[in-house]
Amino acid sequence: GIQVEQSPPDLILQEGANSTLRCNFSDSVNNLQWFHQNPWGQLINLFYIPSGTKQNGRLSATTVATERYSLLYISSSQTTDSGVYFCAVGTGANNLFFGTGTRLTVIP
Amino acid sequence: NAGVMQNPRHLVRRRGQEARLRCSPMKGHSHVYWYRQLPEEGLKFMVYLQKENIIDESGMPKERFSAEFPKEGPSILRIQQVVRGDSAAYFCASSPWTGLGGELFFGEGSRLTVL
Repeated sequence: GIQVEQSPPDLILQEGANSTLRCNFSDSVNNLQWFHQNPWGQLINLFYIPSGTKQNGRLSATTVATERYSLLYISSSQTTDSGVYFCAVGTGANNLFFGTGTRLTVIP
Repeated sequence: NAGVMQNPRHLVRRRGQEARLRCSPMKGHSHVYWYRQLPEEGLKFMVYLQKENIIDESGMPKERFSAEFPKEGPSILRIQQVVRGDSAAYFCASSPWTGLGGELFFGEGSRLTVL
């Protein structure tokens, strides 16, 4: 199956700092989604972004499908941003392949 | 529009018992997916179903696990004779269409603990 690699695996930020999370994938995809899993385990859709750039408040994402990577930008981080960020990609069929995630901790 | 609904949120079973997890997709969605998340890991695909049909079960263990999505009612993931290694969070997702690249929406998960 397709390989999905996320970096960095762990990230600690001071509140207010900015960060960039990266997702590399090994094959052409027709689906790419970013999720935030909060400390209570809930999985929250952030972006559906198989290509292009999207923004939602302090978050934005860019996928360069031809170069097989996606970036998630978090600006002015808040403690509520803590959790694990997953990138997931789909090829052909509808199921998604998840990366191992980036664990973000934002400290006050 | 309610999201994907899963129940129970938490389930405790002793070894050898059966676990049944239920998933109601978002309104208008006819495609359901089940994923499993072991502690400290990402989600792993298990099975993809449409109403009354299993489309892809390549991620399902060959024994003890089964899934259905009947014409009426929620999708059910059934685990027979549970073992400690089945302890995990089980997430259900739904999608409105079969077109390539459709967005998946996830429920809050069901957390199974096997004693």
